[in-house]
Amino acid sequence: ETGVTQSPTHLIKTRGQQVTLRCSSQSGHNTVSWYQQALGQGPQFIFQYYREEENGRGNFPPRFSGLQFPNYSSELNVNALELDDSALYLCASSFSTGGNEKLFFGSGTQLSVL
Amino acid sequence: AQSVTQLGSHVSVSEGALVLLRCNYSSSVPPYLFWYVQYPNQGLQLLLKYTSAATLVKGINGFEAEFKKSETSFHLTKPSAHMSDAAEYFCAVSSLLGYSTLTFGKGTMLLVSP
Repeated sequence: ETGVTQSPTHLIKTRGQQVTLRCSSQSGHNTVSWYQQALGQGPQFIFQYYREEENGRGNFPPRFSGLQFPNYSSELNVNALELDDSALYLCASSFSTGGNEKLFFGSGTQLSVL
Repeated sequence: AQSVTQLGSHVSVSEGALVLLRCNYSSSVPPYLFWYVQYPNQGLQLLLKYTSAATLVKGINGFEAEFKKSETSFHLTKPSAHMSDAAEYFCAVSSLLGYSTLTFGKGTMLLVSP
């Protein structure tokens, strides 16, 4: 049990739609990262939020956006869904101390785009 | 850019046999290295991490890994496999964006037979 919960666990959307995935971090964690894990691949870093500001982004287009709220919850929004967006989306929270922090992963949201 | 290569998408061992999962990395700066395990329908759980202290790192569940700079390797071992070790294992390196943003390998599925 990591104390990080994600909702929903499964989601089916059609191409062109928009989707919002949610993550509830451990209390006190000031950093949340989102990862995309396609079938048969390792997780790929999407972006990271620290104290409600984006402070790092991987190789993902602007239609992937996020929010982090003061109550330790966060969202990943994806606009104009494409078939290749089908994947497991993982969030990970941590308390950033400038080094040596531990990531706590949620169980993920499985997104299918038809 | 940083990258991780995991040799072998699947590794099969018998219960009680040695487990060896291979990981090679590429990094332009001294890396932090990690091994994570993922059980079906679950998120990632940290097994162990190397952060420039001792080169032989001991983790949970009897796993350990040795950092070899000359070989740019961080292989994961366990002396005696247990049925409960069957899962997917990911090697990861910390990115230039920060300690908590990771670049993962594609994963190795460990199969344990009785």
